Amino acid sequence: AQSVAQPEDQVNVAEGNPLTVKCTYSVSGNPYLFWYVQYPNRGLQFLLKYITGDNLVKGSYGFEAEFNKSQTSFHLKKPSALVSDSALYFCAVNSGGGADGLTFGKGTHLIIQP
Amino acid sequence: GAGVSQSPSNKVTEKGKDVELRCDPISGHTALYWYRQSLGQGLEFLIYFQGNSAPDKSGLPSDRFSAERTGGSVSTLTIQRTQQEDSAVYLCASSLEGRGARGIHEQYFGPGTRLTVT
Repeated sequence: AQSVAQPEDQVNVAEGNPLTVKCTYSVSGNPYLFWYVQYPNRGLQFLLKYITGDNLVKGSYGFEAEFNKSQTSFHLKKPSALVSDSALYFCAVNSGGGADGLTFGKGTHLIIQP
Repeated sequence: GAGVSQSPSNKVTEKGKDVELRCDPISGHTALYWYRQSLGQGLEFLIYFQGNSAPDKSGLPSDRFSAERTGGSVSTLTIQRTQQEDSAVYLCASSLEGRGARGIHEQYFGPGTRLTVT
């Protein structure tokens, strides 16, 4: 079985400050990890993924994520937050060894305050 | 290029009626997925197609749910005898292929169909 935990329902950050949205995972085998963003009344948009290789993954809109195998974490980060980054963020995992559907976390509301 | 499209965008139906939801994947994507998003359950995987076959139906919540894909393209998700707990946003996604030499490809999502069962 595979699972994802996003421990924070909401994260508040002042514009211009760095942001972190936390994600931990549990899979048997090698993890394939993804971050998606959802704006109001919109579908999910792909941000970035970790398959293998470098632990720091860079994605769209200046976001990056750090894969930490020992802590089974894949936290999303951005050095300087924008008000337009305010949205719902989902972390997802797939072990690649069985079911091919993604298992998503519950989502974290990111609110960037001007 | 064109993304994943879904129709209808909104569907209101009476309890007990059947509904069909349609998904048009990105051209050239061989893998297609259905998910359900609801307040209580979050995002749930329903079913995966590779081409026209569905090797993984593990996420379908009951035998009232079925899906098919024809011509390796359009997919239809059918819910029979709808219940109020079926109310949710149904999302479709496609990807280049389910599992390639480099691993799992990212999935691209459509805008969803909001289903309301009254």
